[in-house]
Amino acid sequence: GENVEQHPSTLSVQEGDSAVIKCTYSDSASNYFPWYKQELGKGPQLIIDIRSNVGEKKDQRIAVTLNKTAKHFSLHITETQPEDSAVYFCAASTANDYKLSFGAGTTVTVRA
Amino acid sequence: EAQVTQNPRYLITVTGKKLTVTCSQNMNHEYMSWYRQDPGLGLRQIYYSMNVEVTDKGDVPEGYKVSRKEKRNFPLILESPSPNQTSLYFCASRDRGAIYEQYFGPGTRLTVT
Repeated sequence: GENVEQHPSTLSVQEGDSAVIKCTYSDSASNYFPWYKQELGKGPQLIIDIRSNVGEKKDQRIAVTLNKTAKHFSLHITETQPEDSAVYFCAASTANDYKLSFGAGTTVTVRA
Repeated sequence: EAQVTQNPRYLITVTGKKLTVTCSQNMNHEYMSWYRQDPGLGLRQIYYSMNVEVTDKGDVPEGYKVSRKEKRNFPLILESPSPNQTSLYFCASRDRGAIYEQYFGPGTRLTVT
């Protein structure tokens, strides 16, 4: 089955700086890669996703890049703000599969 | 408002006392699943259901049961809870196919003593 590894497990950044979270996956058939944000006391919520026919996708201050050859994808948050403090999860799946395999999560803390 | 609801949000129980965590979604989604979240392990799938009366095991199904008698409801049953089932549980739903957004409930914090 799919194995998703996520690094780092914790990340502390100064407000205004950038944050980068990296994930690798094992199944070359995976072609859907969502990122979820989990705020304290809440369930994870989708913030951005990317499909294998796209190398990069951007939505305001967040962007995701995908390297299918190396089987890794990354989340980039620019101009971080205190409200970006949360746990972030990457995940991978094939389009025809019902199962999302999640990384272990990254706790991001934005220092004011 | 589109949402997934879970009850209870917090539960403290004792070993061996059967319990049920309810999950309901109002989006007419076919696919529902249960996850447990433990520190350093991320979200691990317990069971999933592709439609009414269709359920299957996820990665960590031992000690859990589920049922899907109605499309909107997907309860998680712990017949004889043990301390190693102390965890944060999430129910989720989405439309058919992994490319659709998965919606998570607010979570149930379970402690088994």
